[in-house]
Amino acid sequence: GESVGLHLPTLSVQEGDNSIINCAYSNSASDYFIWYKQESGKGPQFIIDIRSNMDKRQGQRVTVLLNKTVKHLSLQIAATQPGDSAVYFCAEGGGADGLTFGKGTHLIIQP
Amino acid sequence: DVKVTQSSRYLVKRTGEKVFLECVQDMDHENMFWYRQDPGLGLRLIYFSYDVKMKEKGDIPEGYSVSREKKERFSLILESASTNQTSMYLCASIPGLAGSYEQYFGPGTRLTVT
Repeated sequence: GESVGLHLPTLSVQEGDNSIINCAYSNSASDYFIWYKQESGKGPQFIIDIRSNMDKRQGQRVTVLLNKTVKHLSLQIAATQPGDSAVYFCAEGGGADGLTFGKGTHLIIQP
Repeated sequence: DVKVTQSSRYLVKRTGEKVFLECVQDMDHENMFWYRQDPGLGLRLIYFSYDVKMKEKGDIPEGYSVSREKKERFSLILESASTNQTSMYLCASIPGLAGSYEQYFGPGTRLTVT
């Protein structure tokens, strides 16, 4: 079946630097993409989403970029803080029968 | 704020036991989902429901069943628990409105089957 994956299982960044987490997807029919953050012992929490008719969307300290040509999604976190340490999942979908999730990238913040 | 709650944060059960995991959402959402989350495998969809008494199999339904008798409650049932069902179980819901796909997750239930 279709799959969504992340390029790196672990990403280590210095506090204050920008973080970029990447995701590849394979279902070209997907029209909705979402990033979740999951802290240890908690359920995933919504960060930001983007629809296929957009290529960029910004939130507070986060930006999602969508490149439909190469089926690539990225999450940028500006001025990374210790509280950003978590596992980040991308997911794609287009209907009410659920999302397909990537395996996750563990973001580690170095002091 | 949307709230999705799960009946237990941690459960320890024995092989062969019948296990019920309960999920409740308080925002009148139409669609509800059960996932399991395992290291290196990410979130995998077990079952979902788009209406009361309706259910659909996800990617890994074997060994599980579900019940949706009321709109706000979606139960996951392990008829005879096995050690390979040791996992983190996550419930999620969405409004069901066209174009609204953000899933709201519960805190998860970590199930250990011994």
